[in-house]
Amino acid sequence: KAGVTQTPRYLIKTRGQQVTLSCSPISGHRSVSWYQQTPGQGLQFLFEYFSETQRNKGNFPGRFSGRQFSNSRSEMNVSTLELGDSALYLCASSFLGGPYEQYFGPGTRLTVT
Amino acid sequence: SQQGEEDPQALSIQEGENATMNCSYKTSINNLQWYRQNSGRGLVHLILIRSNEREKHSGRLRVTLDTSKKSSSLLITASRAADTASYFCATDNSGGYQKVTFGTGTKLQVIP
Repeated sequence: KAGVTQTPRYLIKTRGQQVTLSCSPISGHRSVSWYQQTPGQGLQFLFEYFSETQRNKGNFPGRFSGRQFSNSRSEMNVSTLELGDSALYLCASSFLGGPYEQYFGPGTRLTVT
Repeated sequence: SQQGEEDPQALSIQEGENATMNCSYKTSINNLQWYRQNSGRGLVHLILIRSNEREKHSGRLRVTLDTSKKSSSLLITASRAADTASYFCATDNSGGYQKVTFGTGTKLQVIP
């Protein structure tokens, strides 16, 4: 099976812009979770989608949003980018979600200037 | 906020030695997992231990869980240079739909 893919791998944006990141889970996996990783805050949970429904949400402002499509592919969007949004954004998929083994993608490195 | 805190933050050992890293967490959990991350890439799942288990093995990995102390340890035996990575524990809080929370990580360097 192909692994989790994330596009794009690298992205440079300007403060105030918005960005959309994409994640394609492993075939058959219905759960997709998003994480933000920074040197200062470590790995922070953003949200989880399961069968097109947001099932869990972390403590991030409303500028961070996501969605999941019927084929389980997921996108996350960050509006009005701030310098502090510079991070590695990781997507993970699993069959059932929650506490079960997650398979991570390589991440999207977002730099906000 | 982080649920888990790994200790030590960084560890440097010689190839062939054993490496032990610890994770402490704050609230009751259903499961605890350990992940490895190489140089800013995606994470790789290593092992999952359930709250009713005390010890689990997988190859050169040994994980223990002490729910009374809210702590877990990961032991890597006979370390190799390829084990150089950051190691994270991840916990899910009991009750409702679980949300996985990652610890701060231990950066392990294995010197050939």
